[in-house]
Amino acid sequence: GAGVSQTPSNKVTEKGKYVELRCDPISGHTALYWYRQSLGQGPEFLIYFQGTGAADDSGLPNDRFFAVRPEGSVSTLKIQRTERGDSAMYLCASSFGGQGVDEQFFGPGTRLTVL
Amino acid sequence: AQKITQTQPGMFVQEKEAVTLDCTYDTSDPSYGLFWYKQPSSGEMIFLIYQGSYDQQNATEGRYSLNFQKARKSANLVISASQLGDSAMYFCAMRAKGGGNKLTFGTGTQLKVEL
Repeated sequence: GAGVSQTPSNKVTEKGKYVELRCDPISGHTALYWYRQSLGQGPEFLIYFQGTGAADDSGLPNDRFFAVRPEGSVSTLKIQRTERGDSAMYLCASSFGGQGVDEQFFGPGTRLTVL
Repeated sequence: AQKITQTQPGMFVQEKEAVTLDCTYDTSDPSYGLFWYKQPSSGEMIFLIYQGSYDQQNATEGRYSLNFQKARKSANLVISASQLGDSAMYFCAMRAKGGGNKLTFGTGTQLKVEL
């Protein structure tokens, strides 16, 4: 079956612009996660959705970052007034949202570059 | 709060040999899970193996096994019979029950398999 997909694969923008990153999870997965990975680092948690609601947004760095998942499937990560420090790989993952292993399946990521 | 430490930024191993990638963790939560992910140069995160904190036996999955030492808070990944395709970045991650469903990742170990 289809895995997690993310669009665009690459996004180049200018400082101060607004960007939207899209994530399409695996069908049937109720949980969706956004992570940010800087060069040479491990992914860092941003936000987690269970269904349509944000169950944990403690990783969002500031109020320029916002994410939605209005119908419980596709999610959009929105970044306002982008800064050069926002440049990173943004990874989306999905899972069934249960107990135990509840493996998170990752998408290929969106590489964001802020000039 | 959870913390994952991977102290080996880079490792080399000869093809067909076994290699151990180190991971130590810190959490006050008695219920947690430990994960290993592989990230090839293409960027996607691939789940390898999982160990639950209450599991009595070390996890194994094909050529991957997890050397879980709970008292030492270590969860080292052992790859047996290394192959050239094992060359990648390897991340250890933790999910603690009290920390929600998010994964906390280490900084990773770059493994290079040589002929």
